[in-house]
Amino acid sequence: DAGVIQSPRHEVTEMGQEVTLRCKPISGHNSLFWYRQTMMRGLELLIYFNNNVPIDDSGMPEDRFSAKMPNASFSTLKIQPSEPRDSAVYFCASSLGQGNGNTIYFGEGSWLTVV
Amino acid sequence: AQSVSQHNHHVILSEAASLELGCNYSYGGTVNLFWYVQYPGQHLQLLLKYFSGDPLVKGIKGFEAEFIKSKFSFNLRKPSVQWSDTAEYFCAVRGFKTIFGAGTRLFVKA
Repeated sequence: DAGVIQSPRHEVTEMGQEVTLRCKPISGHNSLFWYRQTMMRGLELLIYFNNNVPIDDSGMPEDRFSAKMPNASFSTLKIQPSEPRDSAVYFCASSLGQGNGNTIYFGEGSWLTVV
Repeated sequence: AQSVSQHNHHVILSEAASLELGCNYSYGGTVNLFWYVQYPGQHLQLLLKYFSGDPLVKGIKGFEAEFIKSKFSFNLRKPSVQWSDTAEYFCAVRGFKTIFGAGTRLFVKA
């Protein structure tokens, strides 16, 4: 069974450019999460969706960040315009709801470098 | 507010030493608790989880964790570490949402 699939795995872009990260959750999972990992701040929850609806986006750092989930099998995280401080590993994760004991499964991450 | 705190940022051990990584949380309601491991260059993988029942939980690779409700703690233990346990370990707490601790980097010397 395929896990959470993210693309691109690595991206290097110039400051000011738009960056779009993509995620395909595990089939049947109805909760999807975007996390950002940096050395300084550790693992931060940016936003999570339940049944394609954003439930909590309080972790989204600023208006330059936006996330969408147009259907149950696809989500995007967009940064426009990108800045060097956005350099991080962005993980997408999914779970079968937020219910008791449900495990969150992580993708392999998108390693973003903004120069 | 919901929070999770890991006590140690870096731990260095020799092979065969015993390991205990601390995790404390704050949340007023029922929680689910998790430990994840991230090997160098890889994504997070579940080690073990607690959601009800026996507070002593056994996970993969010889790891275990004990939920002590009165102390709001969920410490991770392993009696004898191996070089291959070198990784970063994250405690996570699910209350109204799932949040992760800052992580503990474990380095095991061969």
